[in-house]
Amino acid sequence: GAGVSQSPSNKVTEKGKDVELRCDPISGHTALYWYRQSLGQGLEFLIYFQGNSAPDKSGLPSDRFSAERTGGSVSTLTIQRTQQEDSAVYLCASSLYRGLDYEQYFGPGTRLTVT
Amino acid sequence: DQQVKQNSPSLSVQEGRISILNCDYTNSMFDYFLWYKKYPAEGPTFLISISSIKDKNEDGRFTVFLNKSAKHLSLHIVPSQPGDSAVYFCAASETYNQGGKLIFGQGTELSVKP
Repeated sequence: GAGVSQSPSNKVTEKGKDVELRCDPISGHTALYWYRQSLGQGLEFLIYFQGNSAPDKSGLPSDRFSAERTGGSVSTLTIQRTQQEDSAVYLCASSLYRGLDYEQYFGPGTRLTVT
Repeated sequence: DQQVKQNSPSLSVQEGRISILNCDYTNSMFDYFLWYKKYPAEGPTFLISISSIKDKNEDGRFTVFLNKSAKHLSLHIVPSQPGDSAVYFCAASETYNQGGKLIFGQGTELSVKP
């Protein structure tokens, strides 16, 4: 079946502009995660959606970052007034959350470059 | 504060030999650990996991060892193959307190030479 897809694959934007990144999770997966990987760094957790529960936003680096998940499926990560330090690969993952037994499936990522 | 650390940014191994990738963590509440493999321009793919109630999990050429007292885990690949060349990330989770969010290490780039 289809995996996690993300769009766009690459985005170049000017400092101060807003950007929207999209994630389509695997059908039926109840949990959705956003991470980012800055150059030379590991993956950094941003936000986590699980079913109808309130999202865990503890990893969002500033109030310029927000995310929503519509209808329990597609998610959009929005970065307002982008800064150069926002440049990174933004990765989305989904999982069929089953307590201890779960695996997160990652999309290919969106490479964001802020000039 | 880096809760999951991979102190070796790179590792080079001869084909057919054993690769050992190491990971240390500081949070004693972590109860589930995973290894992911990442090729350039692709998302990470799940490799193997281990629950804190175990100290070893094996899947084919891949074995993960967990030493809770030392807060250390390692991934053994034997025999190593050139196709194993990739970046390997260690990840940990507090499944009951923090849901499914994963805390990742910085990654170790493995190069397997023919």
